[in-house]
Amino acid sequence: GAVVSQHPSWVICKSGTSVKIECRSLDFQATTMFWYRQFPKQSLMLMATSNEGSKATYEQGVEKDKFLINHASLTLSTLTVTSAHPEDSSFYICSASEGSSYEQYFGPGTRLTVT
Amino acid sequence: QQPVQSPQAVILREGEDAVINCSSSKALYSVHWYRQKHGEAPVFLMILLKGGEQKGHDKISASFNEKKQQSSLYLTASQLSYSGTYFCGTEPNAGGTSYGKLTFGQGTILTVHP
Repeated sequence: GAVVSQHPSWVICKSGTSVKIECRSLDFQATTMFWYRQFPKQSLMLMATSNEGSKATYEQGVEKDKFLINHASLTLSTLTVTSAHPEDSSFYICSASEGSSYEQYFGPGTRLTVT
Repeated sequence: QQPVQSPQAVILREGEDAVINCSSSKALYSVHWYRQKHGEAPVFLMILLKGGEQKGHDKISASFNEKKQQSSLYLTASQLSYSGTYFCGTEPNAGGTSYGKLTFGQGTILTVHP
């Protein structure tokens, strides 16, 4: 199946700093990428949808100035958590799908801890 | 609108069968099933698009009812590797304009014992 990678796997940062998470589709072109957030023992919450070359669409309640998303190419999307605070600590997962296919393939996730 | 999964948890012995349900109050465009193991990302299992559809591979199969409001995931002759949390992700019937944007159920924790 299709492979999606995320980098880093985990990151610890200090409050007030920014963190960038990369999501790459390794063997297919992802016209659409999705960013999710997952708290322990909870479901995946969609944060935003990003299409290559256009602005991301954010879900209600997600601050677009805090969670910056860039989908610069058909294989790379980035999520930058700006001015991170402890409440931003979470498991962030990206997924990607090809234009002609409906399956979403998930990256391995990034665990962010803000101290 | 978040779909409702049932049961919340199920415990099996190896070789036993299980059914996990996913229900929506409105007709859906598609249902996607995923399995997630602790600390890992969800793994795609299958997608159903047509009312009345049934599909599967190996001993895992799924169905989508005619009204496209309920899907069930069937796990037969369970193996230890089946343990994990199963999520259904649903796409609303918005003429395809939501294009892959999924809302996930709360998950069903499946534990298989030897």
